[in-house]
Amino acid sequence: KQEVTQIPAALSVPEGENLVLNCSFTDSAIYNLQWFRQDPGKGLTSLLLIQSSQREQTSGRLNASLDKSSGRSTLYIAASQPGDSATYLCAVRRRTSYDKVIFGPGTSLSVIP
Amino acid sequence: DVKVTQSSRYLVKRTGEKVFLECVQDMDHENMFWYRQDPGLGLRLIYFSYDVKMKEKGDIPEGYSVSREKKERFSLILESASTNQTSMYLCASSWPGEHYNEQFFGPGTRLTVL
Repeated sequence: KQEVTQIPAALSVPEGENLVLNCSFTDSAIYNLQWFRQDPGKGLTSLLLIQSSQREQTSGRLNASLDKSSGRSTLYIAASQPGDSATYLCAVRRRTSYDKVIFGPGTSLSVIP
Repeated sequence: DVKVTQSSRYLVKRTGEKVFLECVQDMDHENMFWYRQDPGLGLRLIYFSYDVKMKEKGDIPEGYSVSREKKERFSLILESASTNQTSMYLCASSWPGEHYNEQFFGPGTRLTVL
């Protein structure tokens, strides 16, 4: 059974710092891994999607890596800003016929001005 | 830009009422999903649909049903609402298959059952 964990559960950093969020999954048989951002009381916004054949994806100040063999992904945020404060979730798409996705519990990030 | 919309942002219903949550996407996606999100439990899949009139149970389908009569619309139905169905409900859509199947989410519906 696929399980997804995220460490840390919460993180508080001063503005301008570079930071890394971690995501681990137990079954390496995945199609892809997706990182999301969720603001309080809102829906999820897709940040990056990494296919199983890829090692990393970049979008602006965000860089996500994938190491399928070790069951890990990291989301790197450069030069953090107060507007980056949100909960970040990772999700893996299992290799089944149903296109189902398993979500991690999220990391709550607070960037202090 | 992909747009997924949900009929209500906030909804308050009474125990025993029949509740309809509507979701519409404008990207011609085959797959549509309904999740609920609760503190400490994360996102859990209720139902999903991979084509019109096709549906599959997710991890927590009890107390819910769904309807997909048109490709762009996926409805979640609470036949007889109960207080333990108070939650944030999120709809999503995606292309099927192995590649380029990024999930796109709606803004969510916060349902309170009294």
